[in-house]
Amino acid sequence: GNSVTQMEGPVTLSEEAFLTINCTYTATGYPSLFWYVQYPGEGLQLLLKATKADDKGSNKGFEATYRKETTSFHLEKGSVQVSDSAVYFCALLNTGNQFYFGTGTSLTVIP
Amino acid sequence: EPEVTQTPSHQVTQMGQEVILRCVPISNHLYFYWYRQILGQKVEFLVSFYNNEISEKSEIFDDQFSVERPDGSNFTLKIRSTKLEDSAMYFCASSGESAGNSPLHFGNGTRLTVT
Repeated sequence: GNSVTQMEGPVTLSEEAFLTINCTYTATGYPSLFWYVQYPGEGLQLLLKATKADDKGSNKGFEATYRKETTSFHLEKGSVQVSDSAVYFCALLNTGNQFYFGTGTSLTVIP
Repeated sequence: EPEVTQTPSHQVTQMGQEVILRCVPISNHLYFYWYRQILGQKVEFLVSFYNNEISEKSEIFDDQFSVERPDGSNFTLKIRSTKLEDSAMYFCASSGESAGNSPLHFGNGTRLTVT
């Protein structure tokens, strides 16, 4: 089957700290992988994506690399800001064109 | 930037009542979706809609659920007789092309509380 598992939160970091949010997946076939972000009071927004193995998605200083050998798509940022406080969702899109989301990881960055 | 809007932001209803959750997708989008997230659980796919008909639905989307695009701009989710376990955040989404070819644009969600 298809599923996404991401690290449980909440995560609290100081400004300029390094961020990693782990995400692993199970899928049949070759899915595309995504990170969505939900800022307080808003809907989910696409943050970055990768469509095949070894692709790296990046946006706003965030990066994630599609690792087929470890079935992972961990989200990283070298130096977080207060404005990065949000809930982050890892997701996969399978070959049947259905999205599967993780539970979300809440990040709070304190000044 | 155009956005998907959902109303109301919070709906409280009694068990057994019908609710209609409303969404206005981005105007030139062709694919429409409903997802839900029960508190603390994963965001789950409910249904996708294209060309005025359901294209896919999950096991969650049983006979109590229906979707409609009544007037070319709104996209509604109706729950016929709500149960306590229907309490969740419901997200509407739309895309210009099929999922994966263009990003999903999500609304802010409607929090449904069934008492």
